[in-house]
Amino acid sequence: NAGVTQTPKFQVLKTGQSMTLQCAQDMNHEYMSWYRQDPGMGLRLIHYSVGAGITDQGEVPNGYNVSRSTTEDFPLRLLSAAPSQTSVYFCASRGSSGESSYNEQFFGPGTRLTVL
Amino acid sequence: DAKTTQPPSMDCAEGRAANLPCNHSTISGNEYVYWYRQIHSQGPQYIIHGLKNNETNEMASLIITEDRKSSTLILPHATLRDTAVYYCIVRVHGNTPLVFGKGTRLSVIA
Repeated sequence: NAGVTQTPKFQVLKTGQSMTLQCAQDMNHEYMSWYRQDPGMGLRLIHYSVGAGITDQGEVPNGYNVSRSTTEDFPLRLLSAAPSQTSVYFCASRGSSGESSYNEQFFGPGTRLTVL
Repeated sequence: DAKTTQPPSMDCAEGRAANLPCNHSTISGNEYVYWYRQIHSQGPQYIIHGLKNNETNEMASLIITEDRKSSTLILPHATLRDTAVYYCIVRVHGNTPLVFGKGTRLSVIA
């Protein structure tokens, strides 16, 4: 299994540009989520999804959109990038209740985004 | 608001046990205690979790007080590779998200 994969690894945007951060998992996990981590800070939850077609907001959802059309993919969209969105973005997934992966959340390697 | 309180930083000598405390005085009866760590700038890694009994796995031990208001993560023989930020999280089982606090930065010193 590749686990949780994220693309791109690095990205530089100009203010006002839009882009999509990709996240995919091959573990058939129902639950997926997006976090951002600013320098020297802990992770903050942006959006999460408990299954295909279902998404919900986390702690810091403003400026970000998500959709979940398949179990495998959970893209994060920045509609109009701002310097305040400069951060490292982590995607994560875990299994459903009753599965062995339920208690362990797997994280991707992160996408480092800079907005100028 | 954070549900857990952890010291911002700790040091530990290589080869000694690292004991990382966590206060969760407002924990509910159906909330579990989870520990994750983040090495350098990698994605966080699951370590262990428990409800009220002490737990042990190949990475660490988790000691939860009888009143469940605090817990301690124990790395029995810390190595330099255990240098990381350790996060203590309380969470209800179900489709609830994992919410991170600021964690404890553990430095293992040779």
